[in-house]
This record gives sequence, structure tokens and C-alpha cells, in this order.
Amino acid sequence: QKEVEQDPGPLSVPEGAIVSLNCTYSNSAFQYFMWYRQYSRKGPELLMYTYSSGNKEDGRFTAQVDKSSKYISLFIRDSQPSDSATYLCAMSEGSGNTGKLIFGQGTTLQVKP
Amino acid sequence: DAEITQSPRHKITETGRQVTLACHQTWNHNNMFWYRQDLGHGLRLIHYSYGVQDTNKGEVSDGYSVSRSNTEDLPLTLESAASSQTSVYFCAFTGRGRNQPQHFGDGTRLSIL
Repeated sequence: QKEVEQDPGPLSVPEGAIVSLNCTYSNSAFQYFMWYRQYSRKGPELLMYTYSSGNKEDGRFTAQVDKSSKYISLFIRDSQPSDSATYLCAMSEGSGNTGKLIFGQGTTLQVKP
Repeated sequence: DAEITQSPRHKITETGRQVTLACHQTWNHNNMFWYRQDLGHGLRLIHYSYGVQDTNKGEVSDGYSVSRSNTEDLPLTLESAASSQTSVYFCAFTGRGRNQPQHFGDGTRLSIL
């Protein structure tokens, strides 16, 4: 069993929909949680970065962490065709600048106009 | 803004050859990382470095080596390339300060025939 599980999709939604992306994990020592967006043939781009449990909002994006359930989510409101990409969750035990990241497989999202 | 440059962007080589992938960052950050990305596996850590003369093995280090002679560069070497090492390789660094997340280059697509 992988330490981090993420449904690879693909997930297809109409423009304007609310998108929910999720990851589960097994290592209770994970403290730092990240979401990256990756466009085709590009490197992962950091979207959200949270520490421990709780919610964090940035524009149309909201990240949620539930450490008791070992479950993290990324919500995208009013989805746009430009949101079409692969979304990767990542997490680490140590602080983000020294901790080794464990990634999910990535979920491919397509937002149709 | 700090930048990270990977070269070459694409490379084709033959099994048994030695291959070196370059990673250069412009802001003298200490922490640098190498990952490979394969379908079904997400990104997996190969090697990482916390400073000059410091190198550490990651999850999938067999067949790879790194050296850190200055702060700006962390080259990744495949000593004797194998077809199983066909992948997309990403270099990452963390910024200054506590709890900084990792930022990625745009990758090198390596094919070993």
C-alpha cells in the first residue's frame, strides 16, 4: 500500500463547476501538506501549503486537512478551462524546506468550456 | 524571483551510457532535490542535498549519483543508463527561511533505448 493515495482520474467537469480533489495517507507523522498543479510538459507549481489540520483559502482554491481521518482535499470554485491540469498532493514529516516530500499519483482534471 | 534551470530538456541515449542531467538555481539556496516522475507513481525522490559536500539518498537512488561542489548546482548522474530509467526528471529547491515549500524546474525528459 502506498503512503499517499490519490485517484488518478481523469476527472471531467463543465466550466463553473466546483471541483473536489482528495488524497488519503497512512503516515500519521505527516505534518506539512501541499497541492501542486502541473501543466503538460511543465514542472509542478505550488498552489497551496498548509501545516497540520484546518482550512486555507486562496482565491478560488481551498485546501482542507483532516489529520484525524488522514485525508486532505483541494476545492476549486468556479472552475475554468485554464484549471485543466494534473493536480498533485504532497506531504512531509519535517518542515517543508528540509522534509522529504511524498507525492500522490496526481489527478488529471479537464474543465470543458 | 529565484529561478531553477534544468538541462537538457530532452535527451535520448543508449543503455550502458553515462548521462548527466544539470540543475542550476540562481539564489544560492542550500536545499536541492532530484525526483523522477513516472505514470502510476507520481514523483519519487532520488537524491537530495542540504548544502555543499552534503548528499543523501532518497527512495529510488539505485543507479544514480549526485555531487554538490557549489551552492548553485546539483548534477544528477546515471552511471550506466538502463531502460528502466526512462522517465521525466525534476529538480527542486526550497527558498530561504523556515518552512519553505519546494519549487520545481520544468524537467528533463530522458529516453534510454
